[in-house]
Amino acid sequence: DTAVSQTPKYLVTQMGNDKSIKCEQNLGHDTMYWYKQDSKKFLKIMFSYNNKELIINETVPNRFSPKSPDKAHLNLHINSLELGDSAVYFCASSHLDRANYGYTFGSGTRLTVV
Amino acid sequence: AQSVTQLGSHVSVSEGALVLLRCNYSSSVPPYLFWYVQYPNQGLQLLLKYTTGATLVKGINGFEAEFKKSETSFHLTKPSAHMSDAAEYFCAVSGRGGSEKLVFGKGTKLTVNP
Repeated sequence: DTAVSQTPKYLVTQMGNDKSIKCEQNLGHDTMYWYKQDSKKFLKIMFSYNNKELIINETVPNRFSPKSPDKAHLNLHINSLELGDSAVYFCASSHLDRANYGYTFGSGTRLTVV
Repeated sequence: AQSVTQLGSHVSVSEGALVLLRCNYSSSVPPYLFWYVQYPNQGLQLLLKYTTGATLVKGINGFEAEFKKSETSFHLTKPSAHMSDAAEYFCAVSGRGGSEKLVFGKGTKLTVNP
């Protein structure tokens, strides 16, 4: 009954590979997000989808491509992985009524590129 | 646009002492304000939030924060620190629109000494 679940939890891969991280929320929220947490713990928004529509696309290399097949899922595909992509990636979701329901985060995916 | 400044990347207190973590925000519109906690190798857990109403907000684990519009601050306090409070704390701000992103401060690492 996890609210926001991400898979995998850990991902170790070589430079140049392509990988995907999956996210699912069972809260009925309208909006989903991807955040990147770097080695200094700084959290930065990457993308946001509202009902399958891309609404936020920060300055992220186009090797990163989000996909939202439905409003409960937001996946992140990364092509040609680089060392600098190593980070923890968090998925989050929010209800339209954020005053009451706020934002809910997944437990993160630790990506290590070697 | 919103931004958050957390004063002090590291705060160290003794067990039983007052915890004060400082957060100042910048927002062109009335904001929603949040504090999240991240324990080592874990995800983000909501401590408390301010959206409307009473400016003194109580959260989980004995934490509280006060929204001071005149000072653009939302400092987090706890009267008596416990060893289990050792973690990274993030202040965050969002606008009040439907699918606003959450903007984080750089975090404050709290150490609790016995």
